Amino acid sequence: DAGVTQSPTHLIKTRGQQVTLRCSPKSGHDTVSWYQQALGQGPQFIFQYYEEEERQRGNFPDRFSGHQFPNYSSELNVNALLLGDSALYLCASSSSGQLNTGELFFGEGSRLTVL
Amino acid sequence: KNQVEQSPQSLIILEGKNCTLQCNYTVSPFSNLRWYKQDTGRGPVSLTIMTFSENTKSNGRYTATLDADTKQSSLHITASQLSDSASYICVVSFRDNYGQNFVFGPGTRLSVLP
Repeated sequence: DAGVTQSPTHLIKTRGQQVTLRCSPKSGHDTVSWYQQALGQGPQFIFQYYEEEERQRGNFPDRFSGHQFPNYSSELNVNALLLGDSALYLCASSSSGQLNTGELFFGEGSRLTVL
Repeated sequence: KNQVEQSPQSLIILEGKNCTLQCNYTVSPFSNLRWYKQDTGRGPVSLTIMTFSENTKSNGRYTATLDADTKQSSLHITASQLSDSASYICVVSFRDNYGQNFVFGPGTRLSVLP
């Protein structure tokens, strides 16, 4: 049973470029959340997707957008990259059907470096 | 405002010693509290999950406690090993009309030295 998979694992971009990160949730999970983690900081919530719609959003500009596909996989897009966008981007999956003890599984992350 | 605070920010201990990490939260309404271990550059891995009615939960050498009245949790690591060197993140969740929401603490960076 595959866990949460993310791609690519590492990438380097220059300022102003655009990037797309991908995530496949754990089997049986239908909800995908994206987080940005700067070096030495805790993860910051970007947004959550459920039933192919953005359900919740954190305090991130519109340059950050996403998509969820019918198979529950998801993409995170960042436009007009800034140096401050350099971070580890984590994808987490969960099941909407689980109650209070529902698990939240993380992928290994995509390390984005903006030069 | 829903917040999770952790202390200390960083900690250095010798191999074989015990240590305790703290987590204070102001999340409401409380759903559950989780501790994650995150190795550098990797994704967080769950250690324990506790609901409102649970006071203690163990996972090998890791023991988490929860005091829902004071809104405090601790993670105790026994007989530390070099592989315990990582960041430990406290995550508190609450439910609203959209489902579960997760509030992350900043983490405690633990270094175990030989």
